[in-house]
Amino acid sequence: GQQVMQIPQYQHVQEGEDFTTYCNSSTTLSNIQWYKQRPGGHPVFLIQLVKSGEVKKQKRLTFQFGEAKKNSSLHITATQTTDVGTYFCARNAGNMLTFGGGTRLMVKP
Amino acid sequence: NAGVTQTPKFQVLKTGQSMTLQCAQDMNHEYMSWYRQDPGMGLRLIHYSVGAGITDQGEVPNGYNVSRSTTEDFPLRLLSAAPSQTSVYFCASTHTLGLATGELFFGEGSRLTVL
Repeated sequence: GQQVMQIPQYQHVQEGEDFTTYCNSSTTLSNIQWYKQRPGGHPVFLIQLVKSGEVKKQKRLTFQFGEAKKNSSLHITATQTTDVGTYFCARNAGNMLTFGGGTRLMVKP
Repeated sequence: NAGVTQTPKFQVLKTGQSMTLQCAQDMNHEYMSWYRQDPGMGLRLIHYSVGAGITDQGEVPNGYNVSRSTTEDFPLRLLSAAPSQTSVYFCASTHTLGLATGELFFGEGSRLTVL
């Protein structure tokens, strides 16, 4: 099926360091959504990107959608322990929202 | 402010037993879906529904049945549980049919163990 690949699978950072996760597709995406799942919790919607080259910011989080609409990234500036969790991208294919494998972020205080 | 409610939160089954995971939402969402989450595998779509009376298969539908008799409820049935169905199951809903602009609202999950 049409999947999105996320890298890296895991990332350990020291508190205060930056973090980036990447989402890649072999086909053009109509849009991309990002979700965060805290340990033991459920996924929570963060943002949706629709336009080519779009950049959106939420406090320390910066989301980008590639010019070709085949990739996306989430960058966290100066990580905090509250950023711990797994970050997923998801693509919309018709009536199906399919998720990447996620990037698990661990932050050392 | 219930949102998406899943029951039970935990369940242990023996191989071959049947059970139903319940999902209800009070947001009048047309679209509802079921995902399973396994370690390192992300979220995989099992079945989804775009409205009452309409269901369709997702990425991993085998071994699961669904029905959508009302807008509010979307139960997931395991007719003959297998150890491979040990997983965490999430129900999710949204307010748009095409998912073009709709964010998914997830329930808190149901952890199923099949022995």
